[in-house]
Parts: sequence; structure tokens; C-alpha cells
Amino acid sequence: GDSVTQMEGPVTLSEEAFLTINCTYTATGYPSLFWYVQYPGEGLQLLLKATKADDKGSNKGFEATYRKETTSFHLEKGSVQVSDSAVYFCALSAITGANSKLTFGKGITLSVRP
Amino acid sequence: NAGVTQTPKFRILKIGQSMTLQCAQDMNHNYMYWYRQDPGMGLKLIYYSVGAGITDKGEVPNGYNVSRSTTEDFPLRLELAAPSQTSVYFCATRGVGRDEQFFGPGTRLTVL
Repeated sequence: GDSVTQMEGPVTLSEEAFLTINCTYTATGYPSLFWYVQYPGEGLQLLLKATKADDKGSNKGFEATYRKETTSFHLEKGSVQVSDSAVYFCALSAITGANSKLTFGKGITLSVRP
Repeated sequence: NAGVTQTPKFRILKIGQSMTLQCAQDMNHNYMYWYRQDPGMGLKLIYYSVGAGITDKGEVPNGYNVSRSTTEDFPLRLELAAPSQTSVYFCATRGVGRDEQFFGPGTRLTVL
């Protein structure tokens, strides 16, 4: 079945450091790929997405590129801020239409210190 | 627009008690979902609905029931609470032709 694997956490970085969070997937066909972010005490928010190979999703300084050849969708940011401290989830949706569902990775906690 | 709302925010239950977690949306989305989030485990789909009157099981449906009588509301029912149901529960919605989901703020449930 479909699955998403995220790198083990937690991750602690200093402000202005470079961030990479790895995500790889297994799915049939050509899934859509997502990064969701969960700030403390809140629900998940869509951060960015990509729907086909070589697409790059971007938002709030974060970027991720859909790599079909390596089945990956790694999240990157050039300079993190304290306000980026949150839990990040990689997810995929392999079926279109009414029965479309999200499959999530386990999530990774990012802490950014001043 | 309130988006997706969930009540209550927190609840403590005793083993064997029952309760209903409420989810409401004003986005006119056809599709609605219930997830549970356990530490280090990501989100698991409990039930989902593709429209009023239509529901289906997700990955972890045991111990839960749902109904969908209107487009706006999608309550989740726990009949006999067990400690294994201690979790954070999220409701989400999705619009027709879209693949991203929109999440509510969650309900933290503890069963003692």
C-alpha cells in the first residue's frame, strides 16, 4: 500500500540555519505530494504541495521538489526563524476523486533556537 | 468564515463512558474526514464521508461510529471509551476537484 517515510527527529537548529527535512514515498501511479505544518496547540495547515514530477512547491520561504526518480519530496528552507518551530508532516494522495485520501508520514518536530 | 470547527477542545472520560466529538464546516465541502493523532505516529484515518448520508471506514475505525446527515456536520461517536482511544482527534474537509484538506483545531481526549 501507499506509505510515506520521514527522517527521524526531533531536529534542533539555530536561527538562520539551513533546513532540510527528508521525505520519501511509496505509491502506485503518480500521487500528489504535500507538506503540512502543525504549530503548537493547533491543527494542521497546508504548507505547500506538488502534483506532478519536477514540480516545485513553495510557501513562506519553504520549498520542496517532486522527484519521481528518487520518489522523494524533501523540504528545504534557506534560513529558519524561531517562528518556524513546529511539527512538519509529509503526505501523499494517490487516488483522485471522491475516494481521495491522505497518507501521512510520522511527522518531525523542528525547534529553532534564537 | 469559521472554516472547520471542533468541540470540545479537551475532554476527560472514564472507561466505558460514551461521547460525541463535534465537527462543523462552513466551506460547503463535500468530503469530510476524522483522524486520530498519536505521538510519533502521524495521523491515522478513522472514518470519512463523501457527502451527506454516505460514510466509509478508514484505517482505524474500530470503537468509533459516524453519521453525516448534513453537508456541514460530521460527528464522531465513541460508545465505550477505552484507554487506547486517548488521542488528539482532528476533523478535516476537502472540496470537489481539490486534493488538499483543511483541518480543524482538534479535540484532545483522555480516557482514564
